[in-house]
Amino acid sequence: KNEVEQSPQNLTAQEGEFITINCSYSVGISALHWLQQHPGGGIVSLFMLSSGKKKHGRLIATINIQEKHSSLHITASHPRDSAVYICAVQAPMNYGGSQGNLIFGKGTKLSVKP
Amino acid sequence: DGGITQSPKYLFRKEGQNVTLSCEQNLNHDAMYWYRQDPGQGLRLIYYSQIVNDFQKGDIAEGYSVSREKKESFPLTVTSAQKNPTAFYLCASSIGQGGGYEQYFGPGTRLTVT
Repeated sequence: KNEVEQSPQNLTAQEGEFITINCSYSVGISALHWLQQHPGGGIVSLFMLSSGKKKHGRLIATINIQEKHSSLHITASHPRDSAVYICAVQAPMNYGGSQGNLIFGKGTKLSVKP
Repeated sequence: DGGITQSPKYLFRKEGQNVTLSCEQNLNHDAMYWYRQDPGQGLRLIYYSQIVNDFQKGDIAEGYSVSREKKESFPLTVTSAQKNPTAFYLCASSIGQGGGYEQYFGPGTRLTVT
């Protein structure tokens, strides 16, 4: 079973388009993370949020705790935004081997064409 | 510059050999983590450490071992007991342990065992 589901799995966009990546989770959480993985493999943390909305530059992350859903939006997309975007949620403390640590989605591969 | 280093970036080993992956951080973080990433799957937690001289098994600890003798260092040994060791390994750290803290990732080590 997948506690964290992302959609779509793959996304191709034209430069300038508005992009939305979705994350649904089934476990109760205190925090949700959005991460960006570059083609070389390195991962950068974009957002950590537990309610509402956060904005950084052209990136916006929202979360709806009641619906167990989060979205990552990219405005005015650019080819340099091409990467895998990963959603991760904080597991409950007595949740298998995760014990309060992060449970990761499989990622959404974004390709922005010029 | 503060950050996390992993070495080497690529590692090749013969089946039956133990291999140790290095992870060093100069962020003064208490918590450190090892993750494994396989194609088409989310990151999975191997081991984590809340503090020096303490570490806990994650979801997929079988066939792996770690040590935390210094705050800055958290090496991972992939033993010959690990059935499918070929994967991309990522080390991360955070100020405190758990998904309620932002995690900082190293560049990763791609291990190939033949």
